[in-house]
Amino acid sequence: GDSVTQMEGPVTLSEEAFLTINCTYTATGYPSLFWYVQYPGEGLQLLLKATKADDKGSNKGFEATYRKETTSFHLEKGSVQVSDSAVYFCALSGIAGRRALTFGSGTRLQVQP
Amino acid sequence: EAQVTQNPRYLITVTGKKLTVTCSQNMNHEYMSWYRQDPGLGLRQIYYSMNVEVTDKGDVPEGYKVSRKEKRNFPLILESPSPNQTSLYFCASSHRGGAETQYFGPGTRLLVL
Repeated sequence: GDSVTQMEGPVTLSEEAFLTINCTYTATGYPSLFWYVQYPGEGLQLLLKATKADDKGSNKGFEATYRKETTSFHLEKGSVQVSDSAVYFCALSGIAGRRALTFGSGTRLQVQP
Repeated sequence: EAQVTQNPRYLITVTGKKLTVTCSQNMNHEYMSWYRQDPGLGLRQIYYSMNVEVTDKGDVPEGYKVSRKEKRNFPLILESPSPNQTSLYFCASSHRGGAETQYFGPGTRLLVL
C-alpha cells in the first residue's frame, strides 16, 4: 500500500537558518503530494502541494519539488523564522479509491531566536 | 468564514461510556473524513463519506461508527470507548477528497480511562 516516510524530529534551528525536511513516498501510479503544517493547538492546514512530476509547490517561502525518479518531496526554506515552529506533515493522495490522504509521521521544527 | 468545527475540544471519559464527537463544515463540501493522530504514526483515516448517506471504512475503523444524514455534519461515535482510543481526533472536509485541499477542524483530544 501507499506510505510516506519523513525524517525524525525534532529539528532545532536558529532563526535565518536553512531548512530541509526530507520526505519519500511509496505509491502506485502518480499520486499528488502535499505538505501540511500544524501549529501548536491547531488543526492541520495546507502549506503547499504538487500534483505531477517536476511540479514545484511553494508558499510562505517554503518550496518542495515532486521528484518521481527519487520518489521524494523534500520541504525547504531558505531562512526560517521563530513563527515557523510547528509540526510538518508530508502526505500523498492516490488517484482512486477512498481519496484519503496518507500521512508521514510528522517532523517537529523548533526555531530559536 | 469557511471553517470546520468540532466539539468538544477536550474530553475525558471512562471505558464503555458512549460518546459522540460532532463535526460540522460550512463550505458545502461533499467529502468528509475522520482521522486520529498518534505519536510517531501521523494521521490515520478512520472513516470517510463521499456524500450524504454514503460512508465507508478507512484504515482504522474498529470501535468507531459514523453517520452522514446532512451534508454539513459528520459525527464520530464511540459506542464503547476503550483506553486504546485515547488520541487526538481531526475531522476534515473537501469538495471531493483526493488531490483537493482538505480543511481540518481544530481537533478533539480524547482520554479514555
